[in-house]
Amino acid sequence: DTGVSQDPRHKITKRGQNVTFRCDPISEHNRLYWYRQTLGQGPEFLTYFQNEAQLEKSRLLSDRFSAERPKGSFSTLEIQRTEQGDSAMYLCASSLVGRENTEAFFGQGTRLTVV
Amino acid sequence: KQEVTQIPAALSVPEGENLVLNCSFTDSAIYNLQWFRQDPGKGLTSLLLIQSSQREQTSGRLNASLDKSSGRSTLYIAASQPGDSATYLCAARAGSYQLTFGKGTKLSVIP
Repeated sequence: DTGVSQDPRHKITKRGQNVTFRCDPISEHNRLYWYRQTLGQGPEFLTYFQNEAQLEKSRLLSDRFSAERPKGSFSTLEIQRTEQGDSAMYLCASSLVGRENTEAFFGQGTRLTVV
Repeated sequence: KQEVTQIPAALSVPEGENLVLNCSFTDSAIYNLQWFRQDPGKGLTSLLLIQSSQREQTSGRLNASLDKSSGRSTLYIAASQPGDSATYLCAARAGSYQLTFGKGTKLSVIP
Protein backbone atom coordinates (compact mmCIF):
# COMPACT_ATOMS: atom_id res chain seq x y z
CA ASP A 1 0.00 0.00 0.00
CA THR A 2 1.48 3.32 -1.07
CA GLY A 3 -0.59 5.62 1.10
CA VAL A 4 -3.65 7.79 0.54
CA SER A 5 -4.44 8.27 -3.13
CA GLN A 6 -6.50 11.09 -4.62
CA ASP A 7 -7.82 11.51 -8.14
CA PRO A 8 -7.65 13.71 -10.11
CA ARG A 9 -4.63 15.73 -9.02
CA HIS A 10 -5.86 18.81 -10.87
CA LYS A 11 -9.29 19.86 -12.09
CA ILE A 12 -10.26 22.98 -14.01
CA THR A 13 -13.98 23.53 -14.41
CA LYS A 14 -16.33 26.26 -15.50
CA ARG A 15 -18.51 27.97 -12.94
CA GLY A 16 -21.80 26.15 -12.55
CA GLN A 17 -20.48 22.70 -13.45
CA ASN A 18 -20.45 19.73 -11.10
CA VAL A 19 -17.20 18.04 -10.10
CA THR A 20 -16.41 14.83 -8.24
CA PHE A 21 -13.19 13.86 -6.50
CA ARG A 22 -12.14 10.42 -5.34
CA CYS A 23 -10.05 9.36 -2.36
CA ASP A 24 -8.64 5.91 -1.67
CA PRO A 25 -7.45 5.65 1.94
CA ILE A 26 -4.78 3.39 3.38
CA SER A 27 -6.44 -0.01 3.17
CA GLU A 28 -6.75 -0.88 6.88
CA HIS A 29 -7.83 2.62 7.94
CA ASN A 30 -11.46 2.91 8.95
CA ARG A 31 -11.53 6.70 9.35
CA LEU A 32 -11.48 9.00 6.33
CA TYR A 33 -11.43 12.81 6.42
CA TRP A 34 -11.86 15.59 3.87
CA TYR A 35 -10.20 19.00 4.30
CA ARG A 36 -10.04 22.12 2.15
CA GLN A 37 -7.01 24.38 1.91
CA THR A 38 -6.86 27.82 0.30
CA LEU A 39 -3.67 29.69 -0.50
CA GLY A 40 -1.70 30.73 2.55
CA GLN A 41 -4.04 29.01 4.98
CA GLY A 42 -3.95 25.77 6.90
CA PRO A 43 -6.34 22.98 5.91
CA GLU A 44 -9.90 23.32 7.23
CA PHE A 45 -11.99 20.34 8.22
CA LEU A 46 -14.98 19.49 6.00
CA THR A 47 -16.25 16.06 7.04
CA TYR A 48 -15.23 12.62 8.24
CA PHE A 49 -16.37 9.01 8.01
CA GLN A 50 -15.93 6.05 10.26
CA ASN A 51 -16.36 3.08 7.98
CA GLU A 52 -19.35 4.04 5.80
CA ALA A 53 -20.98 6.38 8.33
CA GLN A 54 -20.54 10.13 7.94
CA LEU A 55 -20.14 11.20 11.56
CA GLU A 56 -19.40 14.91 11.40
CA LYS A 57 -19.81 17.75 8.92
CA SER A 58 -18.39 21.25 9.14
CA ARG A 59 -20.50 24.34 8.59
CA LEU A 60 -18.15 24.94 5.64
CA LEU A 61 -19.87 22.05 3.88
CA SER A 62 -22.72 23.86 2.16
CA ASP A 63 -25.69 22.12 0.56
CA ARG A 64 -23.78 22.04 -2.73
CA PHE A 65 -21.23 19.65 -1.23
CA SER A 66 -21.87 15.97 -0.66
CA ALA A 67 -19.54 13.20 0.40
CA GLU A 68 -20.01 9.46 0.39
CA ARG A 69 -18.12 6.39 1.43
CA PRO A 70 -20.47 3.67 0.23
CA LYS A 71 -18.64 0.52 1.26
CA GLY A 72 -16.35 1.93 3.88
CA SER A 73 -13.44 1.95 1.47
CA PHE A 74 -12.97 4.79 -1.05
CA SER A 75 -14.81 8.09 -0.73
CA THR A 76 -16.10 10.66 -3.18
CA LEU A 77 -16.62 14.38 -2.67
CA GLU A 78 -19.00 16.07 -5.09
CA ILE A 79 -19.46 19.80 -5.54
CA GLN A 80 -22.55 20.87 -7.44
CA ARG A 81 -22.92 24.19 -9.26
CA THR A 82 -19.33 25.18 -8.61
CA GLU A 83 -18.50 28.78 -7.71
CA GLN A 84 -15.20 30.64 -7.97
CA GLY A 85 -14.93 30.55 -4.19
CA ASP A 86 -14.71 26.77 -4.36
CA SER A 87 -11.24 27.04 -5.90
CA ALA A 88 -8.93 25.37 -3.42
CA MET A 89 -6.89 22.27 -2.69
CA TYR A 90 -9.10 19.42 -1.46
CA LEU A 91 -7.21 17.05 0.80
CA CYS A 92 -8.18 13.59 1.95
CA ALA A 93 -6.71 11.87 4.99
CA SER A 94 -7.19 8.53 6.70
CA SER A 95 -6.44 7.03 10.08
CA LEU A 96 -7.20 4.12 12.34
CA VAL A 97 -9.73 4.48 15.13
CA GLY A 98 -7.97 5.58 18.28
CA ARG A 99 -7.40 8.43 20.66
CA GLU A 100 -3.96 9.63 21.59
CA ASN A 101 -2.20 7.48 19.04
CA THR A 102 -4.41 8.38 16.08
CA GLU A 103 -2.09 9.59 13.32
CA ALA A 104 -3.59 11.06 10.16
CA PHE A 105 -2.01 10.43 6.77
CA PHE A 106 -2.82 12.74 3.89
CA GLY A 107 -2.99 12.31 0.15
CA GLN A 108 -1.46 14.61 -2.46
CA GLY A 109 -4.69 16.56 -2.82
CA THR A 110 -6.89 17.63 -5.72
CA ARG A 111 -6.33 21.20 -6.88
CA LEU A 112 -9.65 22.66 -8.10
CA THR A 113 -9.75 25.79 -10.22
CA VAL A 114 -13.15 27.24 -11.08
CA VAL A 115 -13.05 29.68 -14.02
CA LYS B 1 -13.37 26.46 19.65
CA GLN B 2 -9.77 25.38 19.19
CA GLU B 3 -7.44 27.92 17.58
CA VAL B 4 -3.90 27.12 16.48
CA THR B 5 -1.29 29.80 15.83
CA GLN B 6 2.14 29.40 14.27
CA ILE B 7 4.91 31.91 14.63
CA PRO B 8 6.79 33.05 12.62
CA ALA B 9 4.83 32.93 9.36
CA ALA B 10 8.10 32.76 7.43
CA LEU B 11 11.69 32.05 8.35
CA SER B 12 14.90 32.18 6.34
CA VAL B 13 18.10 30.63 7.69
CA PRO B 14 21.52 29.73 6.29
CA GLU B 15 22.29 26.07 5.76
CA GLY B 16 23.59 24.28 8.84
CA GLU B 17 21.73 26.35 11.39
CA ASN B 18 19.53 24.85 14.08
CA LEU B 19 16.06 26.33 14.23
CA VAL B 20 12.82 26.24 16.20
CA LEU B 21 9.28 26.57 14.89
CA ASN B 22 6.53 27.49 17.32
CA CYS B 23 2.93 26.38 17.60
CA SER B 24 0.36 27.45 20.19
CA PHE B 25 -3.17 26.22 20.79
CA THR B 26 -5.99 27.61 22.90
CA ASP B 27 -7.69 24.44 24.17
CA SER B 28 -5.34 22.22 26.15
CA ALA B 29 -7.78 19.27 26.11
CA ILE B 30 -6.14 17.65 23.10
CA TYR B 31 -5.51 13.99 22.35
CA ASN B 32 -2.39 14.67 20.34
CA LEU B 33 -0.53 17.15 18.19
CA GLN B 34 0.88 16.40 14.78
CA TRP B 35 3.56 18.21 12.76
CA PHE B 36 3.40 18.10 8.98
CA ARG B 37 5.54 19.23 6.09
CA GLN B 38 3.99 20.59 2.89
CA ASP B 39 5.92 21.24 -0.32
CA PRO B 40 4.44 23.75 -2.81
CA GLY B 41 1.33 22.40 -4.51
CA LYS B 42 1.60 19.08 -2.70
CA GLY B 43 -0.20 17.25 0.08
CA LEU B 44 0.88 16.93 3.70
CA THR B 45 3.60 14.60 4.95
CA SER B 46 3.36 13.58 8.60
CA LEU B 47 6.59 14.28 10.45
CA LEU B 48 5.88 13.63 14.11
CA LEU B 49 2.94 12.77 16.34
CA ILE B 50 3.06 13.68 20.04
CA GLN B 51 0.45 12.08 22.22
CA SER B 52 -1.03 14.21 25.01
CA SER B 53 0.73 12.06 27.62
CA GLN B 54 4.13 12.61 25.99
CA ARG B 55 6.54 15.52 26.33
CA GLU B 56 8.54 15.03 23.15
CA GLN B 57 9.16 12.90 20.08
CA THR B 58 12.24 12.59 17.92
CA SER B 59 12.81 11.50 14.34
CA GLY B 60 16.25 11.96 12.86
CA ARG B 61 17.11 15.66 12.92
CA LEU B 62 13.63 16.59 14.11
CA ASN B 63 12.50 16.93 17.70
CA ALA B 64 9.02 18.02 18.71
CA SER B 65 7.99 18.98 22.22
CA LEU B 66 4.57 19.45 23.80
CA ASP B 67 3.56 21.47 26.85
CA LYS B 68 -0.19 21.06 27.24
CA SER B 69 -0.46 23.28 30.28
CA SER B 70 0.90 26.28 28.40
CA GLY B 71 -0.71 25.31 25.08
CA ARG B 72 2.58 25.18 23.20
CA SER B 73 4.54 22.88 20.93
CA THR B 74 7.87 23.40 19.24
CA LEU B 75 9.55 21.70 16.31
CA TYR B 76 13.34 21.76 16.47
CA ILE B 77 15.27 21.11 13.28
CA ALA B 78 18.99 20.43 13.70
CA ALA B 79 21.63 21.20 11.09
CA SER B 80 19.16 22.54 8.52
CA GLN B 81 19.57 21.63 4.84
CA PRO B 82 18.20 23.23 1.66
CA GLY B 83 15.96 20.17 1.28
CA ASP B 84 14.21 21.17 4.50
CA SER B 85 12.71 24.18 2.71
CA ALA B 86 8.94 23.77 2.87
CA THR B 87 5.93 24.92 4.86
CA TYR B 88 5.59 23.30 8.27
CA LEU B 89 2.12 22.92 9.75
CA CYS B 90 1.07 21.89 13.22
CA ALA B 91 -2.36 20.45 13.97
CA ALA B 92 -4.11 19.68 17.24
CA ARG B 93 -6.58 16.84 17.63
CA ALA B 94 -9.36 17.27 20.17
CA GLY B 95 -12.38 15.20 21.13
CA SER B 96 -14.21 15.49 17.82
CA TYR B 97 -11.30 13.75 16.09
CA GLN B 98 -10.86 16.47 13.54
CA LEU B 99 -7.50 18.20 13.27
CA THR B 100 -7.31 21.98 13.73
CA PHE B 101 -4.40 23.44 11.79
CA GLY B 102 -2.30 26.55 12.08
CA LYS B 103 -1.48 28.58 8.97
CA GLY B 104 2.03 27.20 8.85
CA THR B 105 5.60 28.50 8.89
CA LYS B 106 7.29 28.80 5.50
CA LEU B 107 10.93 27.81 5.94
CA SER B 108 13.67 28.70 3.48
CA VAL B 109 17.14 27.24 4.03
CA ILE B 110 19.73 29.17 2.05
CA PRO B 111 22.72 27.19 0.70
